[in-house]
Amino acid sequence: LAKTTQPISMDSYEGQEVNITCSHNNIATNDYITWYQQFPSQGPRFIIQGYKTKVTNEVASLFIPADRKSSTLSLPRVSLSDTAVYYCLVGSGTYKYIFGTGTRLKVLA
Amino acid sequence: DVKVTQSSRYLVKRTGEKVFLECVQDMDHENMFWYRQDPGLGLRLIYFSYDVKMKEKGDIPEGYSVSREKKERFSLILESASTNQTSMYLCASSPTHRANNSPLHFGNGTRLTVT
Repeated sequence: LAKTTQPISMDSYEGQEVNITCSHNNIATNDYITWYQQFPSQGPRFIIQGYKTKVTNEVASLFIPADRKSSTLSLPRVSLSDTAVYYCLVGSGTYKYIFGTGTRLKVLA
Repeated sequence: DVKVTQSSRYLVKRTGEKVFLECVQDMDHENMFWYRQDPGLGLRLIYFSYDVKMKEKGDIPEGYSVSREKKERFSLILESASTNQTSMYLCASSPTHRANNSPLHFGNGTRLTVT
């Protein structure tokens, strides 16, 4: 199973770009990389998913290098409402999703 | 939008009680999951199900059982609640039998307190 490692916490200021990196050295050939966002008292919410190179949607970008042993979630111009916990997941190849402890992002005014 | 509904947001139960946590999804998803979330430990998988009447143990199944009699409903059962089962419980579903690129859809959780 591919284990992920993320920073425990990060602080940023409103309007800045935030990059959260996740390492997953044991990623398997068929695994996708998925990021979730969780606000207090809510379940995690899907943000973005990718397999290689770069993926962008209306919320974030995901950068994946050629060796796929890490990935970076990029949040452009964060606001106070982006304060949340962000989880990086790598598909286990069966039905199981393994969550790490996530990165607690705090956006300051 | 997919909706995953957990029957209770807050529950308080006594030690030794049998507790049922109910989860319903409205998008005909094949897979359903139960996680618990504790401070400093993140989300940990208790059980999952990839079809009606099918179930698989996750990482921390001890003290729990599950039931999936209908595709849309997945129940988590604490046979005899204990204080160390005080936690936030999260139900999730996903559409296909392949986990690799099938994002999870979560409910808003049930905060269970066992006294």
